[in-house]
Amino acid sequence: DIVMTQSPDSLAVSLGERATINCKSSQSVLSSSNNKNFLAWYQQKPGQPPKLLIYWASTRESGVPDRFSGSGSGTDFTLTISSLQAEDVAVYYCQQYYGTPQAFGPGTKVDIK
Amino acid sequence: QVQLVQSGGEVKKPGASVKVSCKASGYTFSTYSISWVRQAPGQGLEWMGWISVYNINTNYAQKLQGRVTMTTDTSTSTAYMELRSLRSDDTAVYYCARVSSSERGFDYWGQGTLVTVSA
Repeated sequence: DIVMTQSPDSLAVSLGERATINCKSSQSVLSSSNNKNFLAWYQQKPGQPPKLLIYWASTRESGVPDRFSGSGSGTDFTLTISSLQAEDVAVYYCQQYYGTPQAFGPGTKVDIK
Repeated sequence: QVQLVQSGGEVKKPGASVKVSCKASGYTFSTYSISWVRQAPGQGLEWMGWISVYNINTNYAQKLQGRVTMTTDTSTSTAYMELRSLRSDDTAVYYCARVSSSERGFDYWGQGTLVTVSA
């Protein structure tokens, strides 16, 4: 099974500043057939279901603000919020969907400093 | 617009079973798979498995094998997740999610169903 880890567990960032979340998979999630990383990022606000932000490690889902960006390949990935807004307070999860079980990372809580 | 609407919360005793429904609308139900994800109180997301609505293939998390069954009813565009032999640590919010057909992850989610297991 592929195990997902995230760091940090939580972070507090001032409004307008950058937030960076790291995600690591225990095995590569890069598909040799299409050269895409099967890695997604989700945002979950309290009392709400998760929302897809980023897929293929770096492609923003339709309607997601461009302050959210994803990068990385193979086993190491990063979600960056370039200028934190109040509405970005949430828990962020990475997920690999390369193989089953399609594991999620433990989550990173983002707050305002 | 795509919507997944789940059934209401349930309270069950240990050892009982629960069946959660997820009614889809706004897209062709048979052309997407459905995954189920649960979240214990204050905890992270746990993938439970998925079902292909097209060919009824299923893939369950190993820890739930033998206790979980995922099914669909194409006549009502509804997916179901049944969990048996409930334990207190099955207390969680259960989500259904549509598996994107273009390998984009889980693109739409239900609102969640709280299942509480308590004596």
